Amino acid sequence: AQSVSQHNHHVILSEAASLELGCNYSYGGTVNLFWYVQYPGQHLQLLLKYFSGDPLVKGIKGFEAEFIKSKFSFNLRKPSVQWSDTAEYFCAVNQLILTGGGNKLTFGTGTQLKVEL
Amino acid sequence: EAGVTQFPSHSVIEKGQTVTLRCDPISGHDNLYWYRRVMGKEIKFLLHFVKESKQDESGMPNNRFLAERTGGTYSTLKVQPAELEDSGVYFCASSLGGLAVDTQYFGPGTRLTVL
Repeated sequence: AQSVSQHNHHVILSEAASLELGCNYSYGGTVNLFWYVQYPGQHLQLLLKYFSGDPLVKGIKGFEAEFIKSKFSFNLRKPSVQWSDTAEYFCAVNQLILTGGGNKLTFGTGTQLKVEL
Repeated sequence: EAGVTQFPSHSVIEKGQTVTLRCDPISGHDNLYWYRRVMGKEIKFLLHFVKESKQDESGMPNNRFLAERTGGTYSTLKVQPAELEDSGVYFCASSLGGLAVDTQYFGPGTRLTVL
């Protein structure tokens, strides 16, 4: 079965520090990868996604992620975090449903990021 | 454009009672998904509708859970009778469909507490 690992459960950073959140998945086939973010009191929002093409993906709010197929990784990065980046971050991998289209997501356990002023 | 909405936002019930959660997807989205997050754990897939048909319900925990999507619009998820371990946040998501892979848009979730 497919699984997703997020190694950092809680991360605390000062403003302007650089961020890298790890995400590894276990699936040998073609994958589509996502990072979602949940800000306090808000719903899950898509931060960025990788379907194909350039393995370096840029998302909203200055976030980017790099797909490294040989390492089964899709780490999220931001050069300089802001207090407003305080949120929970989820890595997810699609699992294709072969009949009828669509996909279901397998999520990691999430990383709670706190950015201090 | 309105996003995915869910009702109620919170529900507190006693063990043995019945609760029905509702999800309204983005208009025109054929795919509708239910997920659940138990405290401290990952968000887990429950089931997937394509229009009114259940495409995959492999994640449903047991037969106390019943999901419907009459007419292919909104969906309900009923838990009857509720047990303590059913507590968690239930998320609904929708996607356009027609593609092998597309982006899912999530609702705010319903926080269910079973006492």
